[in-house]
Amino acid sequence: GQQVMQIPQYQHVQEGEDFTTYCNSSTTLSNIQWYKQRPGGHPVFLIQLVKSGEVKKQKRLTFQFGEAKKNSSLHITATQTTDVGTYFCAGDLQGAQKLVFGQGTRLTINP
Amino acid sequence: NAGVTQTPKFRILKIGQSMTLQCTQDMNHNYMYWYRQDPGMGLKLIYYSVGAGITDKGEVPNGYNVSRSTTEDFPLRLELAAPSQTSVYFCASSYTGNQPQHFGDGTRLSIL
Repeated sequence: GQQVMQIPQYQHVQEGEDFTTYCNSSTTLSNIQWYKQRPGGHPVFLIQLVKSGEVKKQKRLTFQFGEAKKNSSLHITATQTTDVGTYFCAGDLQGAQKLVFGQGTRLTINP
Repeated sequence: NAGVTQTPKFRILKIGQSMTLQCTQDMNHNYMYWYRQDPGMGLKLIYYSVGAGITDKGEVPNGYNVSRSTTEDFPLRLELAAPSQTSVYFCASSYTGNQPQHFGDGTRLSIL
């Protein structure tokens, strides 16, 4: 069954609003990765978090890894139309050397 | 550097036909994966391989077969196509099992 849960499934925002997607696991993750899939495209790797409590930024995107290494979030500040797509998290459960993908959060933006 | 290359990009099959989706990577990655993605849905793992000669089932292996005779190639075989196999198929590769995965552009398959 699904071991990496991602919420929300869908999010629609006005351009300029912020957006956050959350990823949760019932077991400890050795690392978590985030991917973006543009409409009609393929998933593209964005970032990897490894350390407990880690925070990384890429321009308007902020990625966090929880202290217990069981959850993560991706926050986009002041969304732009180029942010449209589906964002997936993927976690390595307890160092199993196998990524499990979340269901994804589909972001749509009203310009 | 081509990365992960999938062929064909599009294909229409009739029910009961068979076909092979090709995937090749030039990054010398050990791990390779096949996913399917139904419209508006997430990624479901079909099969994966941790190296040449080794394959294992993923979440939804029924109706599919794979082989990994070389590090570079990981073809996916559909033996008796069914409408439920209409989907977009992505091949991906990574150096190890928990390293970032590189995806191909996908094969859009319709079975009528």
